[in-house]
Amino acid sequence: DIQMTQSPSTLSASVGDRVTITCRASQSISSWLAWYQQKPGKAPKLLIYKASSLESGVPSRFSGSGSGTEFTLTISSLQPDDFATYYCQQYNVLTFGGGTKVEIK
Amino acid sequence: EVQLVESGGGLVQPGGSLRLSCAASGFTVSSNYMSWVRQAPGKGLEWVSVIYSGGSTYYADSVKGRFTISRDNSKNTLYLQMNSLRAEDTAVYYCASRTVAGKAFDIWGQGTMVTVSS
Repeated sequence: DIQMTQSPSTLSASVGDRVTITCRASQSISSWLAWYQQKPGKAPKLLIYKASSLESGVPSRFSGSGSGTEFTLTISSLQPDDFATYYCQQYNVLTFGGGTKVEIK
Repeated sequence: EVQLVESGGGLVQPGGSLRLSCAASGFTVSSNYMSWVRQAPGKGLEWVSVIYSGGSTYYADSVKGRFTISRDNSKNTLYLQMNSLRAEDTAVYYCASRTVAGKAFDIWGQGTMVTVSS
């Protein structure tokens, strides 16, 4: 089975900071990688698909990169609405990473 | 409006059964791949099951042999039949859909809580 490992598990940052979250796959998944944002009590929201494609309506401060086994989600300038938990998912076999909680510093 | 609405959650005793429903509107369940994802209290997301447009079904090892995913095309509804429930099945259950080829899950329901406890 393909395992997805996210780091860090928690990240403390301030408004305006550039934030990077990493997701590693235990074997190559090409570009079949998605990123989701989840706020407490809410369903996840798709941000990025196919590693770097921005979902419609998602602010351009979010970007994704990578292929094979290493991927990153970058928020170029953190906004108050961005404090949430972020998950990666490889969507060939549908496994999620463990999540990264972005907290206010 | 494109949306998914889950129902059927509740409190059930260990060993019991429950059937979750997920009603879709604005798109056709049978034309897209549909999935169930769960989230235990305070934990991360766990994929549970998927049914593809062709009808193939797959399950996480943790639920294989106990859960069954199905759909009713006439009702445009997805189901999850859960049998032999265990305490560790306690979670919010979301249904999710990929409505555009090449994307991941772009439509999610609001979730329904399942509590397995005596």
